[in-house]
Amino acid sequence: GALVYQYPRRTICKSGTSMRMECQAVGFQATSVAWYRQSPQKTFELIALSTVNSAIKYEQNFTQEKFPISHPNLSFSSMTVLNAYLEDRGLYLCGARRTGVQDTQYFGPGTRLLVL
Amino acid sequence: GDSVTQTEGLVTLTKGLPVMLNCTYQTTYSPFLFWYVQHLNEAPKLLLKSSTDNKRTEHQGFYATLHKSSSSFHLQKSSVQLSDSALYFCALSPSNMGYKLTFGTGTSLLVDP
Repeated sequence: GALVYQYPRRTICKSGTSMRMECQAVGFQATSVAWYRQSPQKTFELIALSTVNSAIKYEQNFTQEKFPISHPNLSFSSMTVLNAYLEDRGLYLCGARRTGVQDTQYFGPGTRLLVL
Repeated sequence: GDSVTQTEGLVTLTKGLPVMLNCTYQTTYSPFLFWYVQHLNEAPKLLLKSSTDNKRTEHQGFYATLHKSSSSFHLQKSSVQLSDSALYFCALSPSNMGYKLTFGTGTSLLVDP
């Protein structure tokens, strides 16, 4: 079956520092990876969509300067939260779309970020 | 822009009773609707999906029918089990690509013995 791992599952960083999170697709090739954030008391917001060999598309209110993403191959993506502040805390989900299966995203368990 | 509304934040039921979780949406494009279920400390898992108007789709005892006339995709089950306790998200993709999902706020379903 299709599995998506995210690392770390939980992390704490000091305000103003940066942290990197990873997303690994196991058992399938992910043609695209979408990164979402669930802030406290809110639903999941799309941050950006990353497709191998294409430009990464960021949603409004999210920028490459703040959330740089690397998607070097069909099984791995990473995103960094630069200069994290309190409003960046939440659960960051990675959704990987499977090659040949156009309408399904498989989600990882998320990385929970706490900013002190 | 696209939006998804889930009116219930928490639904508490006794085991064996039926349940309906509401989901309505807004989009100017042809909709593709999804229900995801997330158990504690686990990844959201796809439960149901549909883009066909007025056709019931079923999985693991849950079912939903996309009604484009009312922009709804309510999730139902005739008899809930303890293991159904989880967080349920309704999500919308404006096409059948499924890569850009707009999520509802989620409904927590708590099933009592």
